[in-house]
Amino acid sequence: SQQGEEDPQALSIQEGENATMNCSYKTSINNLQWYRQNSGRGLVHLILIRSNEREKHSGRLRVTLDTSKKSSSLLITASRAADTASYFCATETGGFKTIFGAGTRLFVKA
Amino acid sequence: EAEVAQSPRYKITEKSQAVAFWCDPISGHATLYWYRQILGQGPELLVQFQDESVVDDSQLPKDRFSAERLKGVDSTLKIQPAELGDSAMYLCASSSVGGFSYNEQFFGPGTRLTVL
Repeated sequence: SQQGEEDPQALSIQEGENATMNCSYKTSINNLQWYRQNSGRGLVHLILIRSNEREKHSGRLRVTLDTSKKSSSLLITASRAADTASYFCATETGGFKTIFGAGTRLFVKA
Repeated sequence: EAEVAQSPRYKITEKSQAVAFWCDPISGHATLYWYRQILGQGPELLVQFQDESVVDDSQLPKDRFSAERLKGVDSTLKIQPAELGDSAMYLCASSSVGGFSYNEQFFGPGTRLTVL
């Protein structure tokens, strides 16, 4: 079973626009991670936010975490065609088990 | 840059046959994961090793799947017999922090399995 639910399932934007993806989860977590997957490839770790953190930045990425609402968002600013990929949130629960959501498919048009 | 290696990259087999996948994690990484990813879905954890010990195999279909990491380094995942529903991407990942929080995982390129 998958704990994380990403929203939207798919997103299409123009290059230069911002992309926002959301993740909701069900149980308490130790941390939440975002990964990117290019078509047919393995996943690449983007950013990790701990349960006691509310916001984190890495380059053009901004992640927020609201533990009271059990939700997180990933913002990609000034998107590029190379950002086209699937984005997954993954939650690490109290049993140190990582559970992935179904992902958001982002398409950035040049 | 160190990477997680997997082989083969692609495997086509007929149902009821046996298949095996191999993974070599990043050197020094104590934790190794096998995931199954069905097209259009997120990865689902099959088994997690800490060194040579299994710490989680609750989602592993043990009637047909087996996994081992005998020396706590590389690992093999086996399916016998393969079924049509096993067609998926099998991903291996490793991390340097085992059983604790703050767990960034490094993924290999995956093995795409097609069962005919």
